[in-house]
Amino acid sequence: GDSVTQTEGLVTLTEGLPVMLNCTYQTIYSNPFLFWYVHYLNESPRLLLKSSTDNKRTEHQGFHATLHKSSSSFHLQKSSAQLSDSALYYCALSDVNNNAGAKLTFGGGTRLTVRP
Amino acid sequence: ETAVFQTPNYHVTQVGNEVSFNCKQTLGHDTMYWYKQDSKKLLKIMFSYNNKQLIVNETVPRRFSPQSSDKAHLNLRIKSVEPEDSAVYLCASSLGLGGPNYAEQFFGPGTRLTVL
Repeated sequence: GDSVTQTEGLVTLTEGLPVMLNCTYQTIYSNPFLFWYVHYLNESPRLLLKSSTDNKRTEHQGFHATLHKSSSSFHLQKSSAQLSDSALYYCALSDVNNNAGAKLTFGGGTRLTVRP
Repeated sequence: ETAVFQTPNYHVTQVGNEVSFNCKQTLGHDTMYWYKQDSKKLLKIMFSYNNKQLIVNETVPRRFSPQSSDKAHLNLRIKSVEPEDSAVYLCASSLGLGGPNYAEQFFGPGTRLTVL
């Protein structure tokens, strides 16, 4: 079946340092659709980034990610971490062609903590 | 403000009892979902409905049953709860099935279930 693997557990950074959260996936879909969701404490998870286009960078709120089908990766990056980036980040996978979004397979989540 | 609403926020019950959780979305979406977020923050799809029709039914115990009266409502009933059912149950919705523009899911705040 499909699976998504993320940087495990907890990532702690000092404010101002770059952020990189890894995401790799395995799927039988010929056209995978990758997402990053962010879950802030006491809020609902919400979409941060999405992409189904190979080798095209997508950006939102200072974060960016590029889907690389050759390496089955969709790593989340930011040039400079802010305190407000502290949250739980999920990478997720779906299929563009087969009822896109009907089923999201999530990675295990990575908790990012940014310290002053 | 339109959103995904869930009730109750919290529920504490004893093993063997029956519980029901409600979810309503005012976004005009066609597709709704139930996810389980366990104590390790793993997020897994349980069910999804499109226009009141069940389209995804993952391998969950038979004591879990979704109920959809219309496309704006998707409830979850658990008959005879077990300790391992303790988790946060997240409801979500999306525009519908189709291409990438339909795939973004909007989440509710979750219902935290504790089974004693």
